[in-house]
Amino acid sequence: GESVGLHLPTLSVQEGDNSIINCAYSNSASDYFIWYKQESGKGPQFIIDIRSNMDKRQGQRVTVLLNKTVKHLSLQIAATQPGDSAVYFCAEKAGSSYKLIFGSGTRLLVRP
Amino acid sequence: SAVISQKPSRDICQRGTSLTIQCQVDSQVTMMFWYRQQPGQSLTLIATANQGSEATYESGFVIDKFPISRPNLTFSTLTVSNMSPEDSSIYLCSVRQGDNEQFFGPGTRLTVL
Repeated sequence: GESVGLHLPTLSVQEGDNSIINCAYSNSASDYFIWYKQESGKGPQFIIDIRSNMDKRQGQRVTVLLNKTVKHLSLQIAATQPGDSAVYFCAEKAGSSYKLIFGSGTRLLVRP
Repeated sequence: SAVISQKPSRDICQRGTSLTIQCQVDSQVTMMFWYRQQPGQSLTLIATANQGSEATYESGFVIDKFPISRPNLTFSTLTVSNMSPEDSSIYLCSVRQGDNEQFFGPGTRLTVL
């Protein structure tokens, strides 16, 4: 089913620390996942994606981990910076469907 | 990735009126989408804008309320009709590129009084 949350969990981290943002997805048929970053007043920005034939993918300062067994996705941000403060959304897609299903989002606050 | 622009960036409207939002992409794309993001919430797909045919609407969204145009492969409009305060949201245009990637425009922030 779709996951559209009413509450926005918040993760507060110290600048320089690593951040881990988690996402539980609902559809076992989902085979493609995206993480987006949305800063205040802006549209979602594509960060990184992963296909279900992988369990890990790395980008610049970011790593996405996928655990299909428990339907869990995480985004790790290394050496978190003030510019990383934003709301982060995971999104899932199944098979040939074009439709992205978005998670409820997590707000990341970086303390100086 | 494609560069996507939206007009207007924000607007304040009176209930009962309609607003048309424009989405312009700097390259031709097959698939364009319109999303709604209600205050403090996640994104919900309204419809897929199809070039040369009627848009495909998701459950809970109807053409009379959200008419969509897609005259070519770089442009689309979404109209929010007969607005009420419940329509206050961010409306986002997105495009699909490559196999699966979707990229978003900056959004249109609508407040209905």
